[in-house]
Formats: sequence, C-alpha cells, structure tokens
Amino acid sequence: NAGVTQTPKFQVLKTGQSMTLQCAQDMNHNSMYWYRQDPGMGLRLIYYSASEGTTDKGEVPNGYNVSRLNKREFSLRLESAAPSQTSVYFCASSRYSNQPQHFGDGTRLSIL
Amino acid sequence: AQSVTQLDSQVPVFEEAPVELRCNYSSSVSVYLFWYVQYPNQGLQLLLKYLSGSTLVESINGFEAEFNKSQTSFHLRKPSVHISDTAEYFCAVSVNDYKLSFGAGTTVTVRA
Repeated sequence: NAGVTQTPKFQVLKTGQSMTLQCAQDMNHNSMYWYRQDPGMGLRLIYYSASEGTTDKGEVPNGYNVSRLNKREFSLRLESAAPSQTSVYFCASSRYSNQPQHFGDGTRLSIL
Repeated sequence: AQSVTQLDSQVPVFEEAPVELRCNYSSSVSVYLFWYVQYPNQGLQLLLKYLSGSTLVESINGFEAEFNKSQTSFHLRKPSVHISDTAEYFCAVSVNDYKLSFGAGTTVTVRA
C-alpha cells in the first residue's frame, strides 16, 4: 500500500524561486494536511483541507498557498522561496478531521 | 489554543531497560491524545491513541501510555526497549477539531 506519497523527496531552490510540492493519498481519506518540521519545534500546521473543495490556514501559512485538486491530491506552493522556508515538509491525511493522521515520508527543501 | 510540552528532548537508555517519555498538555476541555514515532528519514507513524474509554492504551510493539486528566498528562512507557526503538517520539493533542498540536519531540537512543 502506497499510503501518502510526496514528491519530490529532496529539492534545492534559490531565494525567489517558486516550487510546488505534490502530495497524493490512496486511502480515500477526506482530510489532508501540510506541516513543516524544524529542529526542536515539532511539526507545525501550514494549511489543511477538511474535505474536498475546502482549504484553511493553519499555524504558519504565510508564504504558502495550497490547492486541493481532488480528493486524492493536495499540493503546497511556495511562490517566492525564502531561506526561512528551509525545512522538511510533511503531508498527512486522515479519514475525517480528528481521526489519526497518516504521514508521507517528507520533502527536504533547502532554500539558498 | 492547546500546547504540548515534552519534558525531555533527549533520552539515552540501555537495551532491555525501561523508558518513560513525558508529555503534558494544556487544555480545559476534552482532548484526543496521540503518540507518533519517527524513524530516521521517514515520516511519522501513529504509535497509539487515546480517544475515549480506558485511560491506559497499548501499542502492538510493547509501548503503553496512560491518560491522566487531573495531571493533564499522557506519558509513554515501555518496560524493556530494543535497539530498534531508537527514534524520535512526538506527543500530539487534538481538541474537538482537525488541528493536531505537536510537542517538540523526544529523541530516544538505545545503546547495547
């Protein structure tokens, strides 16, 4: 079972470049999430989508946009990358909000 | 908003010794509680959860956690660790909505 698939796994960008991180789940889950993980800070929610057709801001949305393309896919876009956005990004999904979340393996993003 | 405090950032432990990872949260309403484990270069995996019912919950690989409402704690324990338990462990809390608040994580290093 693939579960939650994130692409790419690694990426290096220059300041000001744009980038879209892709996420797809094959578990027929309704809710999807984007987090960033930084050392000593745990995971922080960037955006989430409670169901297809809806998206809402999380704790740290500035500098990001999202698209819930369909029930399976939820993408995260950096319009103008900044060094402060260097992080590991995780996509997650759950059957419904408040159910246990399933995570992808992450995208390691470096902004120079 | 709730917050989650993991009281130890690093826990070194010898193989076959017991381990306890401490987690406290701040919330005055009902919560859902989770422990996730993250192995190197992987995403988070659900270890165990408390949604309702018995305050003692167990995982399939020997971990257990006890929900203590009066102390607002959800400590994780294992009576005898293995080398393979070396990982980072995250406590997470959800309060009647989609949002998971994560602690900063505890790195467990098991030595022979």
